[in-house]
Amino acid sequence: DTGVSQNPRHKITKRGQNVTFRCDPISEHNRLYWYRQTLGQGPEFLTYFQNEAQLEKSRLLSDRFSAERPKGSFSTLEIQRTEQGDSAMYLCATETGVRGNTIYFGEGSWLTVV
Amino acid sequence: AQKITQTQPGMFVQEKEAVTLDCTYDTSDPSYGLFWYKQPSSGEMIFLIYQGSYDQQNATEGRYSLNFQKARKSANLVISASQLGDSAMYFCAMREGRGNKLTFGTGTQLKVEL
Repeated sequence: DTGVSQNPRHKITKRGQNVTFRCDPISEHNRLYWYRQTLGQGPEFLTYFQNEAQLEKSRLLSDRFSAERPKGSFSTLEIQRTEQGDSAMYLCATETGVRGNTIYFGEGSWLTVV
Repeated sequence: AQKITQTQPGMFVQEKEAVTLDCTYDTSDPSYGLFWYKQPSSGEMIFLIYQGSYDQQNATEGRYSLNFQKARKSANLVISASQLGDSAMYFCAMREGRGNKLTFGTGTQLKVEL
């Protein structure tokens, strides 16, 4: 148990619906990341927060995706008007305020769009 | 060009034997960090070991060690005394310079046999 909590763990949704994933970081971890992983691939970076500020976004993060981290604690990743290509695992990772040598991931949230 | 290359899609090893998982990387930044993660079928990414580009010695963490050959740009993971519970997907990842994101390889599926 790394301490990074994600929910829901699994979500099946119909195409066109909106979904939201939540990530609760390890306490006092100021840096928070979202990644997406499709079958047979390694995770791909989506976005990065330092406290409540979203400092970096990947081009993978289309305008249907939005991430927030109010108050610098938990974070949410919302996907609007889901498409079948959004089916993937969404991973949250956190790190202490200082860039270091350990980045902890959560168990991921599996999304299936039907 | 791929920044992280893992050329072994799958590996088999007998219980109690050692196994080496290959990883080569590509960067022009003199400062970088290399990470290895284990991903069981449950999906969680479990941090294993880290090697910084300026570290003088190869990293070790219990049964995991990293064979870091800087001139060859390789960072192979060595697992000693393999256990059945080591069966999982293993990912090599890199963080470059002052960047925030990790770039992952495509992974190696390891199966430990009796």
